[in-house]
Amino acid sequence: DAGVTQSPTHLIKTRGQQVTLRCSPKSGHDTVSWYQQALGQGPQFIFQYYEEEERQRGNFPDRFSGHQFPNYSSELNVNALLLGDSALYLCASSLAGADTQYFGPGTRLTVL
Amino acid sequence: GIQVEQSPPDLILQEGANSTLRCNFSDSVNNLQWFHQNPWGQLINLFYIPSGTKQNGRLSATTVATERYSLLYISSSQTTDSGVYFCAVDPETSGSRLTFGEGTQLTVNP
Repeated sequence: DAGVTQSPTHLIKTRGQQVTLRCSPKSGHDTVSWYQQALGQGPQFIFQYYEEEERQRGNFPDRFSGHQFPNYSSELNVNALLLGDSALYLCASSLAGADTQYFGPGTRLTVL
Repeated sequence: GIQVEQSPPDLILQEGANSTLRCNFSDSVNNLQWFHQNPWGQLINLFYIPSGTKQNGRLSATTVATERYSLLYISSSQTTDSGVYFCAVDPETSGSRLTFGEGTQLTVNP
């Protein structure tokens, strides 16, 4: 049973560039959530996708956008990268109506 | 929004010792999860425990929902228990979004 997978593992970008991160949910799961974890802090909720729509959004600017595909996989896009966007980006999957979220290994983004 | 406080922020133990980690939250919750983050950043599910007590091997957890706190117990600690332990809560049903505490950094020395 495949768990949550994310790609790429690491990424280095420069300020002003755009980045796309990818996530495949755990088998059987239909809901994907994205979190940002800055160094030394707990993860912060960015947004959640269900049925290809953004269902909830945290306190993040519009530079952060996402997409969910019919196979439930998801992308996180960040435009106009800032130094402060450097973080570990975590994807979590769950089954709609269930409470437990399962996390992927994360993508470590460095913005220079 | 809901606030989550974890204590202590740092904990250093010798192998074989027991420890208790605490999580306080500011509002009633329908979802509470404990995670262990390993040195590579992977968040590993330990417990889903919005109320009551659960045990899994050397780990156990208790949530007293009416008093808005949860405890994670680690017995006979091992060096592989090192890492950051997070408590995460959601006041809504259906696991919509988790609010995390700042974590407890546990170091177990041989």
